[in-house]
Amino acid sequence: EAAVTQSPRNKVTVTGGNVTLSCRQTNSHNYMYWYRQDTGHGLRLIHYSYGAGNLQIGDVPDGYKATRTTQEDFFLLLELASPSQTSLYFCASRRDWGEDTQYFGPGTRLLVL
Amino acid sequence: AQSVTQPDARVTVSEGASLQLRCKYSSSGTPYLFWYVQYPRQGLQLLLKYYSGDPVVQGVNGFEAEFSKSNSSFHLRKASVHWSDSAVYFCVLSADTNAYKVIFGKGTHLHVLP
Repeated sequence: EAAVTQSPRNKVTVTGGNVTLSCRQTNSHNYMYWYRQDTGHGLRLIHYSYGAGNLQIGDVPDGYKATRTTQEDFFLLLELASPSQTSLYFCASRRDWGEDTQYFGPGTRLLVL
Repeated sequence: AQSVTQPDARVTVSEGASLQLRCKYSSSGTPYLFWYVQYPRQGLQLLLKYYSGDPVVQGVNGFEAEFSKSNSSFHLRKASVHWSDSAVYFCVLSADTNAYKVIFGKGTHLHVLP
């Protein structure tokens, strides 16, 4: 079973604060994704990547940066956090496209005061 | 444009009853369809997926889904639900155009009454 880990699991910050969410997958998957989950919206794609150094813009990218430093590691950066970014964030990885399964991490709950 | 619609935000059934969760999709290319489940305070897990062949696919824990190209649907079914099936269920589309992305429905919250 593919393993995806996220840290921290919970984070509280203040408006204007700087936050980095980390994701690691240990299955040599090519694709990694960052989503946010909010009531009434389901999962919304923030950014994704298909390899180290690659970054693709998702559907709700405003206020977020991301960086894929290695095959295993994908980071989500909030440089000036706002209360609207309070959410549950999921990372996922996937070997390839099409019928390949996405594997999800346990999530990071972020509260911006 | 690609999209996934789950028309029921919330479904409540009694334990032992049958279940159908509806999913409609729109895709310009060949659709690859998935159902994921999210149990309380957990990440998402794959239930089943379809990409070709027999339109009825079997998944874990007694779930199955039927693909219909004519109806653009991929409904999830279970013959007899258990209280532990209470969770949020997501229908997901991956198409062979812009295939890196996957598109999520908004989810259906299933509540099983014991």
